[in-house]
Amino acid sequence: AQTVTQSQPEMSVQEAETVTLSCTYDTSESDYYLFWYKQPPSRQMILVIRQEAYKQQNATENRFSVNFQKAAKSFSLKISDSQLGDAAMYFCAYRSPPTGANSKLTFGKGITLSVRP
Amino acid sequence: DTEVTQTPKHLVMGMTNKKSLKCEQHMGHRAMYWYKQKAKKPPELMFVYSYEKLSINESVPSRFSPECPNSSLLNLHLHALQPEDSALYLCASSQWVGWGRQETQYFGPGTRLLVL
Repeated sequence: AQTVTQSQPEMSVQEAETVTLSCTYDTSESDYYLFWYKQPPSRQMILVIRQEAYKQQNATENRFSVNFQKAAKSFSLKISDSQLGDAAMYFCAYRSPPTGANSKLTFGKGITLSVRP
Repeated sequence: DTEVTQTPKHLVMGMTNKKSLKCEQHMGHRAMYWYKQKAKKPPELMFVYSYEKLSINESVPSRFSPECPNSSLLNLHLHALQPEDSALYLCASSQWVGWGRQETQYFGPGTRLLVL
C-alpha cells in the first residue's frame, strides 16, 4: 500500500522568507500524481500545486514550487516570500492509479505552518 | 469555477436523530467523495461515487448512508450516530474516477458535525 510521510508536524517562517515543507512517499507504481493541499484554520481545503510523476519538470504556481525527486520518492514544497495568509495546515497527498473504478487519495499527516510577522 | 458547496455549515444532533448532509457541484464532475476529518488530522475517505454509482465504501458503519441522486448532488444520511462521529465532513469532486488527466479533487468547505 502507498504511504505518504510528513515527518515534521510543525514549522515556522518569518514573513517574506522562504520555507520548504518535506514529504516522502512509498509506491511501486511508475505513474501517479502528487499534490499539496492547504487548509487554513476552520477554512476550506484548497489545492496548492500538483505534479504528474511522468513529468520531469517541477511544477510551479506563483510563489509555490515543488522539488520532485522521483528516484528518491521525495516531493517537497517551497513557499517563497511567505505571507501571513500562508499560515495553515499543509497536506501532501498521493493519487494512486485506479483498479477498475477505484482510485484513492492518500494523505500525509500534515504539517502546521505558522508565519511570524 | 472550482466550487463545491456543502450545507449545513454546522450541525448539532442527538444520538437518536436523523439528519442529512448535502453537497453540490456544477463543474460537470462525475466523481464525488465523502471524507471525515478530525481536528489536526488528514481527511479519511468514506465513500466514492463514480457516475452516480457507489464505487468505494471504506467499511463505513451503516449509520452513515450515502446517496447520489444525480451527477451534481451528493447526500450523506446520518442516523443513530455516536459522539465519536463528531468531526468535519468534507465533500470533494473530480472530473472522473479513472486514469485521466483531470483527476484533481476539489473540496467543499465541510460540515462541522457535533453529536451529543
